[in-house]
Amino acid sequence: KAGVTQTPRYLIKTRGQQVTLSCSPISGHRSVSWYQQTPGQGLQFLFEYFSETQRNKGNFPGRFSGRQFSNSRSEMNVSTLELGDSALYLCASSPGTGGPHEQYFGPGTRLTVT
Amino acid sequence: GQNIDQPTEMTATEGAIVQINCTYQTSGFNGLFWYQQHAGEAPTFLSYNVLDGLEEKGRFSSFLSRSKGYSYLLLKELQMKDSASYLCAVNGGGSYIPTFGRGTSLIVHP
Repeated sequence: KAGVTQTPRYLIKTRGQQVTLSCSPISGHRSVSWYQQTPGQGLQFLFEYFSETQRNKGNFPGRFSGRQFSNSRSEMNVSTLELGDSALYLCASSPGTGGPHEQYFGPGTRLTVT
Repeated sequence: GQNIDQPTEMTATEGAIVQINCTYQTSGFNGLFWYQQHAGEAPTFLSYNVLDGLEEKGRFSSFLSRSKGYSYLLLKELQMKDSASYLCAVNGGGSYIPTFGRGTSLIVHP
C-alpha cells in the first residue's frame, strides 16, 4: 500500500497571506487528522475529518480550517498567516472505525512564514 | 482535559538499556501509543497498550499501568540509530484521536 502523501513538502509564505496544504491518506483509510508540530509545543492536534465531516477539533483559532473530499483526500487552509504559524504540519490517516488505531503519518509540510 | 508528561531529554550508551517514562491524566482511557520520530521525519508507530502489562516487540517493550496512569517504553541493546524523539500518545475515552506528549529526545552515544 502506498503511504500517506503530503504536498507541498516545503512552503515559504509572507505574513498575512493564506496557504492550502494537501494530504492523501492510505487507500481505504477514512480518517485524516492534522497536527502542528513546533519545537516548543510538540505535536498539537488541529482537527480530524471522517467521511467528509469534521469529527474532532483541537484548540486552534478559526484561521485554521480544513475539508475532506469523497475520496478521503484532505486539505488544510490557514488564512491571514502569522509568524507563529511557522511549523511542520503533519497529517495522519487511520481506518477511523473499530476503536483506536495507530496513526500513519505523512512526511509533513514545512511552512515558514516571514 | 488531558495531560501527558514525559522527560524532555535522555542520554544513554550504545548497547545499554533505557526506560522512557510517560504519565498521563485523561478523562477515560482507550489506549496508549508510543511513536518514534527521527529528526526531520514523520512519527512512526512503535507500540500500543490497552491492557495492563508488558508488550514486547523485539528490542522494544512497552508497559502500562492504568490504575497509576503510567507507561514506559523500554529499549534494549541500544543502537546509534535509536537516537530519536519518542512520543507517548493517549486516547481518552470515546475518542479516536490521541493526545501526544511533547516527546523525549533520546541521544545514544558510543
